[in-house]
Amino acid sequence: ETGVTQSPTHLIKTRGQQVTLRCSSQSGHNTVSWYQQALGQGPQFIFQYYREEENGRGNFPPRFSGLQFPNYSSELNVNALELDDSALYLCASSLGGVFHNEQFFGPGTRLTVL
Amino acid sequence: AQKVTQAQTEISVVEKEDVTLDCVYETRDTTYYLFWYKQPPSGELVFLIRRNSFDEQNEISGRYSWNFQKSTSSFNFTITASQVVDSAVYFCALSEETSGSRLTFGEGTQLTVNP
Repeated sequence: ETGVTQSPTHLIKTRGQQVTLRCSSQSGHNTVSWYQQALGQGPQFIFQYYREEENGRGNFPPRFSGLQFPNYSSELNVNALELDDSALYLCASSLGGVFHNEQFFGPGTRLTVL
Repeated sequence: AQKVTQAQTEISVVEKEDVTLDCVYETRDTTYYLFWYKQPPSGELVFLIRRNSFDEQNEISGRYSWNFQKSTSSFNFTITASQVVDSAVYFCALSEETSGSRLTFGEGTQLTVNP
């Protein structure tokens, strides 16, 4: 069974640029959630996709957007990067339909904005 | 609004000591779910346990045990006979029935187990 994978592992961007992060969900999972984890803090919910539709969004501006593909993999896009966007971005997959199942996390993408 | 508080920022113990990590939550929902995750230095969050609000039975898994008390809105985690490999940041998280399956995390507790 393949776990959750994310790419790239690390990324350095400058303020104002755009970035795309990718996530492949665990086999059999149809729900992907994205979280932002600033240094020394707990993860913060960005949004969730269930069967290619957005299924909830946290307190993040519209420049954070996402997609889920038919194979349930997902992308997180961030436009007009700001210094405060520097963080570890975590993707988690789960089996939706029956909500509140445990979410399995990938290793994360470390984004640095200069 | 849902909230999770982990008042212990850092805990340091010596190997073989028992240690309890505290978690207090706030929610208006009657149906909710509580989780614990472990984050080793590699950064990947590792799922440890999930409990629903209707199941207050304590649970034991090897050296790990969890104490869920609705009366005090707490879901504490105890590691018995700690080992160096237990060193990590531990997060408690909550999801509410009315908020979908989004997880609200606490700020985490950094546990250091010294040999």
